Amino acid sequence: SAVISQKPSRDICQRGTSLTIQCQVDSQVTMMFWYRQQPGQSLTLIATANQGSEATYESGFVIDKFPISRPNLTFSTLTVSNMSPEDSSIYLCSVAPRLAGETQYFGPGTRLLVL
Amino acid sequence: DAKTTQPPSMDCAEGRAANLPCNHSTISGNEYVYWYRQIHSQGPQYIIHGLKNNETNEMASLIITEDRKSSTLILPHATLRDTAVYYCIVRRIMGSGGSNYKLTFGKGTLLTVNP
Repeated sequence: SAVISQKPSRDICQRGTSLTIQCQVDSQVTMMFWYRQQPGQSLTLIATANQGSEATYESGFVIDKFPISRPNLTFSTLTVSNMSPEDSSIYLCSVAPRLAGETQYFGPGTRLLVL
Repeated sequence: DAKTTQPPSMDCAEGRAANLPCNHSTISGNEYVYWYRQIHSQGPQYIIHGLKNNETNEMASLIITEDRKSSTLILPHATLRDTAVYYCIVRRIMGSGGSNYKLTFGKGTLLTVNP
């Protein structure tokens, strides 16, 4: 498996501001994914981030709102831009390690509250 | 990816086996069955996955029917710590065509283990 850490673990932000969430993995991974989990809901994929290419966004998510960086095989960031209270969610990083075959692992999540 | 159907909730007595069903009647030959669980306020935890054979690991057993249209996750001796939302997900095998290897989460089954 892969050990995944996220920073910050939680934050309270004011509307109109932006927050950048970091995801660090202890091994090189091919694919990294960013999910959102709104209160009381299941997980929704925001985008897939592969190293060396532009992130691929799911329907309903746009790069201007959720810019993603993937500078190397162990790190990625997700920025939540121009936040509103509707962005209050848990944001989760997920990875598919090269040596783990098909399996995908999740980080602990970043709990965001927008006031 | 094929959709899955799970009961919204189940109860199990501590120490007994928990059998969680999942229907995936539209699964295709190049799709795995994955199981994850999410304990409150944590990131999803990988449990097990399989293609067509039954699988067992230190956490659970996965029984897939011969026609692959349904499966059952078995926790052999449930403990209070197994109380969580369990997600059954069908996902395409990497390299089997296209690029859609994402995990699509449904609502899952809330398993409550009672003392």
